[in-house]
Amino acid sequence: DSGVTQTPKHLITATGQRVTLRCSPRSGDLSVYWYQQSLDQGLQFLIQYYNGEERAKGNILERFSAQQFPDLHSELNLSSLELGDSALYFCASSVEPSGSRGEQYFGPGTRLTVT
Amino acid sequence: QQQVKQSPQSLIVQKGGISIINCAYENTAFDYFPWYQQFPGKGPALLIAIRPDVSEKKEGRFTISFNKSAKQFSLHIMDSQPGDSATYFCAASMGGSARQLTFGSGTQLTVLP
Repeated sequence: DSGVTQTPKHLITATGQRVTLRCSPRSGDLSVYWYQQSLDQGLQFLIQYYNGEERAKGNILERFSAQQFPDLHSELNLSSLELGDSALYFCASSVEPSGSRGEQYFGPGTRLTVT
Repeated sequence: QQQVKQSPQSLIVQKGGISIINCAYENTAFDYFPWYQQFPGKGPALLIAIRPDVSEKKEGRFTISFNKSAKQFSLHIMDSQPGDSATYFCAASMGGSARQLTFGSGTQLTVLP
């Protein structure tokens, strides 16, 4: 158990809908990363927050957005869902965003199925 | 230049054998190279990591070998066990204001009993 929690574990929704995925980082970690895992694209970085502020963006669609709240939990919002958005979405956390401590610890993921 | 290339895609090893997975990178700004292990239905778990100032790091049965000049690194699993059967991902990150991981495509390891 990495100490990172994600809810829900599974999510099934229809095209065009909007969903919110939630992540709580490990105790003491200030940085949260979101990754998408799909069969064709592998594991891809989406976005990173550190202590409430956006730090980096990767291959994140404009239909997707995220935020990190004062209690450090983070939410990933996916809107106007398409079939191709079906994937596993992982949250990871680390103590700090840069410097010598590069370790990231992943949560169990949310499996999103868009029908 | 951000890619990390991983091979082989799949690997079958007998129990007690050595499993070797290779990765290559292009971006010389990468300065942290972790390996993750993922079981079906689970999130990736950090296994072992190395920085380019050392050529080898060993933790139990797992060893990372790093060749900075060739821009390659590899994971060696000694005395492979059926419980090691999982997907392994290499990754790389660089310093700066963020440390997002760039992942390899993964290697599905099967250790036969």
